[in-house]
Amino acid sequence: SAVISQKPSRDICQRGTSLTIQCQVDSQVTMMFWYRQQPGQSLTLIATANQGSEATYESGFVIDKFPISRPNLTFSTLTVSNMSPEDSSIYLCSVDEQGDYGYTFGSGTRLTVV
Amino acid sequence: GQNIDQPTEMTATEGAIVQINCTYQTSGFNGLFWYQQHAGEAPTFLSYNVLDGLEEKGRFSSFLSRSKGYSYLLLKELQMKDSASYLCALDDKIIFGKGTRLHILP
Repeated sequence: SAVISQKPSRDICQRGTSLTIQCQVDSQVTMMFWYRQQPGQSLTLIATANQGSEATYESGFVIDKFPISRPNLTFSTLTVSNMSPEDSSIYLCSVDEQGDYGYTFGSGTRLTVV
Repeated sequence: GQNIDQPTEMTATEGAIVQINCTYQTSGFNGLFWYQQHAGEAPTFLSYNVLDGLEEKGRFSSFLSRSKGYSYLLLKELQMKDSASYLCALDDKIIFGKGTRLHILP
């Protein structure tokens, strides 16, 4: 299956600042996704990162708060903007490999906003 | 919209069998996933059902009934390392249920 390198693995940030999370895949993939997992909760889809066009956001998530880049088929970034303590969460990228591997996840970024 | 329900927590004994149920309401989906997530780690893929019926993979099996809006994950010969959360997810931009925390007792 694809190998995903996600960084940073964790960060502690001041409120009002922004953090950019990077996701690098070792093969070209069509579909990349960004998820949030709040403490003790399941995963919530933030957006689908589309190569060559704007990301597609789910209800409750907006581009101004979570801008996403997808410059090529192996890389994407998610920025968490103007952070507040409510943004403290784990953020995960995921790729759709089709076939027998389903969706593969990066190791996640644990964000704490103070 | 979509709605996925699964039990919040379950407890089972090492060596036993446990069935984790998942019910859903959706207007359409390609298939249904089961993922395992250990605390502090990313989810890992267990199974994917497209057609109705049982898919067996070693100690783990997954069942799907589209007409009943129902799936289950069956874990046999439970081991301590199976203590984790198990997430049911619909393959429509992969929407996750809240997960079932499974506790294995020695």
